[in-house]
Amino acid sequence: EVQLLESGGGLVQPGGSLRVSCEASGFTFSDYAMSWVRQAPGKGLEWVSFISSGADRTYYADSVKGRFSISRDNSMNTLYLEMSSLRAEDTAVFYCARVTPCGSTSCFYDYWGQGTLVTVSS
Amino acid sequence: AVRMTQSPSSFSASTGDRVTITCRASQGVTTYLAWYQQKPGKAPKLLIYAASTLNSGVPSRFSGSGSGTDFTLTISRLQSEDFATYYCQQYYVFPPTFGGGTKVEI
Repeated sequence: EVQLLESGGGLVQPGGSLRVSCEASGFTFSDYAMSWVRQAPGKGLEWVSFISSGADRTYYADSVKGRFSISRDNSMNTLYLEMSSLRAEDTAVFYCARVTPCGSTSCFYDYWGQGTLVTVSS
Repeated sequence: AVRMTQSPSSFSASTGDRVTITCRASQGVTTYLAWYQQKPGKAPKLLIYAASTLNSGVPSRFSGSGSGTDFTLTISRLQSEDFATYYCQQYYVFPPTFGGGTKVEI
C-alpha cells in the first residue's frame, strides 16, 4: 500500500525557517517524481515545488522561489522541503504528492500524504 | 499561468441527485485535466485524469468530460459519501494549476 507520511510542521515566526519531511513507503520511491502542494486555511490547492525522480530537476512556484528548497534522499525514501524567510501568507497545510508519470514536468498526483500544518506567526 | 475557474463555488444537493460541476481553463489544455475530491481534514483524492479516465477504485457514478477549455465532472446519483469539495487541475502547461474548488453540501 502506498503511503506518504509528512512531518515537521509547526509554529514558526515570520522570517524563520523550517524543514518538513515526507517519508514514502509501499512503492519504489526512486522511480517517481514528487511534488509539494499546499493549502492555506479554508482555501484551495496551490502547487509549490517539483523534484524529478533522480533529483536532477527541481522547479518552484514564483511565490516561493528563492526561499524554498526541495530535495530527496532516495536511500531513505524521504522527500524534504526546506523553507526560509517564511511569511504569514505561507501558513498552510503542506502535502507531499506522488507525481503520476505523464511525460511532462506538469502532471497530476495519484497519492497524497495527510499533510503537515505550517503556521507562520509571531 | 493557466487560470482554472470552477462553477459554482458551492451548492446544495440531495442524495440521489445528478450533479454537474464545471471547470474552465483560461487557455486550451487539451485533455490534460484531473479532478480531485477532498473531505474536511483529509488529503485530496484523485478521481479522474485525462479529462475522462476514472482512477482505479473510483465508483462508476463519477464521470468526466470535455477538452480544450471547458470540462465537467458529473456524479450520476449522489451518495452520502460524495459530499465534499471537488477541485480540477490542469497539467498541460507548467506550472500545474488548480481550480478554486466546488463544495457540494447537503
